[in-house]
Amino acid sequence: NAGVTQTPKFRILKIGQSMTLQCAQDMNHNYMYWYRQDPGMGLKLIYYSVGAGITDKGEVPNGYNVSRSTTEDFPLRLELAAPSQTSVYFCASSYSIASNEQFFGPGTRLTVL
Amino acid sequence: AQSVTQLDSHVSVSEGTPVLLRCNYSSSYSPSLFWYVQHPNKGLQLLLKYTSAATLVKGINGFEAEFKKSETSFHLTKPSAHMSDAAEYFCVVRRNSGNTPLVFGKGTRLSVIA
Repeated sequence: NAGVTQTPKFRILKIGQSMTLQCAQDMNHNYMYWYRQDPGMGLKLIYYSVGAGITDKGEVPNGYNVSRSTTEDFPLRLELAAPSQTSVYFCASSYSIASNEQFFGPGTRLTVL
Repeated sequence: AQSVTQLDSHVSVSEGTPVLLRCNYSSSYSPSLFWYVQHPNKGLQLLLKYTSAATLVKGINGFEAEFKKSETSFHLTKPSAHMSDAAEYFCVVRRNSGNTPLVFGKGTRLSVIA
């Protein structure tokens, strides 16, 4: 049982490039989330999904896209990377909102230069 | 809307002394409250949670927190700090109904001095 896995661990992008951050969970959780963590700012919710085929915007969705074609996978797409997207990105999952506990992946550190 | 305020960005304690990390919350509805811990270069791990049952909540690694509605607080405590407690701690709130996501505080960095 690997829990929540994220790839890559680190990435450097040039301004205007695009990339996809991968997230997978093997706990059969319905809910999945993408957060970004900026220094001294806590975690901000980018997008979340309540099940395959259903996604919704969080607090800071601009510049990102997501899809949820399977229960296991929840990739985050950055189009036209900007320096403001330099951050650490965390994926998380939970069985339901009511279960309250979210399980986090190890994070992806992204730098946009 | 829900929000949390962590009153200290950095707390430093000596090994073996008590730990107090302070958190105040704001919520228009009955809240669930959590403390998460993040060790360096790691993801977040749930320490404990309050979901409208007992107001004194015990978590992992000897931590506990008390929900005080009159003070809108949910402070995290531990009687005796250990070196391994050095980490970033996040207070988190969620409304107790609907499909509402978690709202994180800005974090408190705990340093433990030998």
